[in-house]
Amino acid sequence: DAGVTQSPTHLIKTRGQQVTLRCSPKSGHDTVSWYQQALGQGPQFIFQYYEEEERQRGNFPDRFSGHQFPNYSSELNVNALLLGDSALYLCASSLAGTGANYGYTFGSGTRLTVV
Amino acid sequence: KNQVEQSPQSLIILEGKNCTLQCNYTVSPFSNLRWYKQDTGRGPVSLTIMTFSENTKSNGRYTATLDADTKQSSLHITASQLSDSASYICVVSAKGSYNTDKLIFGTGTRLQVFP
Repeated sequence: DAGVTQSPTHLIKTRGQQVTLRCSPKSGHDTVSWYQQALGQGPQFIFQYYEEEERQRGNFPDRFSGHQFPNYSSELNVNALLLGDSALYLCASSLAGTGANYGYTFGSGTRLTVV
Repeated sequence: KNQVEQSPQSLIILEGKNCTLQCNYTVSPFSNLRWYKQDTGRGPVSLTIMTFSENTKSNGRYTATLDADTKQSSLHITASQLSDSASYICVVSAKGSYNTDKLIFGTGTRLQVFP
């Protein structure tokens, strides 16, 4: 039973460029959430996708956008990259409506470095 | 504003000793509280999940407590091992729409276990 898979694992981009990160949820999960974790900080919620729509959003600018596909996988897109976007980007999957006992499963993350 | 605060920020203990990490939260509407262990550069791994009605939950050498009245939780680690060295993150879920929760992360406690 595969867990959450994220790709790529590491990425280096130049300021102003655009980047796409990918996430495949755990088998049986239908909801994908994205988080940004700066070095030494806790993850910050970016947004959550369910039924191919953005359902909740954190305090991130419109440069951050996403998509969920019919197979529940998801992409995170960041436009006009800034140095401050350098972080570990985590994807977590869950099953909507299952209650607290079904936890979120996190991927290992994508380390994005903007130079 | 939904917030999760953890203390201490960092902790150093000797192998075999016990320790307790603290978490205070102001999250509404509260859904559940989770403790995660995160190794550097990796995704968080769930240790415990507690709902409003649960006040203690164990997972091996890890025991979490929850006081929903005072909005406090603790994670007790017994007989620490070198492999316990990691960041421990308290995460509180706020009920969202579409039967989905939004996770609010603490900044974590960095635990180092020395021989």
